[in-house]
Amino acid sequence: GAVVSQHPSWVICKSGTSVKIECRSLDFQATTMFWYRQFPKKSLMLMATSNEGSKATYEQGVEKDKFLINHASLTLSTLTVTSAHPEDSSFYICSAREGGLAGEQYFGPGTRLTVT
Amino acid sequence: TQLLEQSPQFLSIQEGENLTVYCNSSSVFSSLQWYRQEPGEGPVLLVTVVTGGEVKKLKRLTFQFGDARKDSSLHITAAQPGDTGLYLCAGARGNKLVFGAGTILRVKS
Repeated sequence: GAVVSQHPSWVICKSGTSVKIECRSLDFQATTMFWYRQFPKKSLMLMATSNEGSKATYEQGVEKDKFLINHASLTLSTLTVTSAHPEDSSFYICSAREGGLAGEQYFGPGTRLTVT
Repeated sequence: TQLLEQSPQFLSIQEGENLTVYCNSSSVFSSLQWYRQEPGEGPVLLVTVVTGGEVKKLKRLTFQFGDARKDSSLHITAAQPGDTGLYLCAGARGNKLVFGAGTILRVKS
């Protein structure tokens, strides 16, 4: 099956610094990638949708200047949490979709971000 | 309000018991997916149902898509401790997946 990787798997950073998380589709080309946030024992909350070569579409309430998304190639999308604060601590998960709307989404293993 | 209502939110059962998780909506979905997620990991796709009335089986798991494509159920027969995890249903709407709130299943040996 399709494999999506994320790096790093966990990161601890100090308040005020920026953190970049990478999402890669390893064996397929992802025209669309999605970034989710998940709190403990809760469901996934969609943050933004990114299409290769174009600006990301952010969900209501998600600050686009704080969560910078870049989808520069068909196999790589990055999420940068800028000026991180403790309330940004969370589990961030990306997913990638091959093909159009009918394509299935494959999820990465997630990145645990802790801001101290 | 949640577009996809998932129930129950939490289920703790003994090994060998059967259980059903429900996913309901007032909206129609072009497809519906079920995922299982373990702590610290990403969701893993279990099944995608597309056709109204469709039933799919995956070993001890049976998935059903409602005739009107607004609801779905996941039935597990003879649950095992290895079935423990967070089960998520997700409906496809346009470019996105809409997730239910999730069901935390704990199977005790």
